[in-house]
Amino acid sequence: ETGVTQSPTHLIKTRGQQVTLRCSSQSGHNTVSWYQQALGQGPQFIFQYYREEENGRGNFPPRFSGLQFPNYSSELNVNALELDDSALYLCASSLEGNTEAFFGQGTRLTVV
Amino acid sequence: AQSVTQPDIHITVSEGASLELRCNYSYGATPYLFWYVQSPGQGLQLLLKYFSGDTLVQGIKGFEAEFKRSQSSFNLRKPSVHWSDAAEYFCAVAGPSGNTPLVFGKGTRLSVIA
Repeated sequence: ETGVTQSPTHLIKTRGQQVTLRCSSQSGHNTVSWYQQALGQGPQFIFQYYREEENGRGNFPPRFSGLQFPNYSSELNVNALELDDSALYLCASSLEGNTEAFFGQGTRLTVV
Repeated sequence: AQSVTQPDIHITVSEGASLELRCNYSYGATPYLFWYVQSPGQGLQLLLKYFSGDTLVQGIKGFEAEFKRSQSSFNLRKPSVHWSDAAEYFCAVAGPSGNTPLVFGKGTRLSVIA
């Protein structure tokens, strides 16, 4: 049990819709990173938030956006959903200056 | 660019047998190295990590890994596999400074047979 919680655990959306995924970081952690894990693949870095600012971004289009709140929880928003966005979305929290990340259980997104 | 290669997509071992999962990385300097395990439909659990110092690191659940700089490898080992070890294993690297993102390999699926 890492203390990182994600919601919802599963959801199904239609192509073109928008979705918001949520993550509560482990107590005391001020950095949140989001990863996309397609079926049969390793997780791929989407972006990271540190103290409410985006602090690095992977190779994902602008329709993937995020927020971090003062309590360090975070949201991942995806607009104009595409079928290829179907994946497990993982949130990881860490402490400033510490590379060790603790992962949540993930949100399984299916786009139909 | 950083990259991680896990050459074995799927490995099957007998319960009680030894295990070695391979990981090779590409990075300009010595990175931080990690092994994670993922059970079906679950998140990632950290097994062990290497930052510096002793190149043989011990982790949870009886796993260990050895960093070999000359081979750019960080192979995961376990002397005796249990049925509960069946899962997906991911090797990952990160830059040697805080808050750098993890770069993962594609994973190795471990099956354990009686």
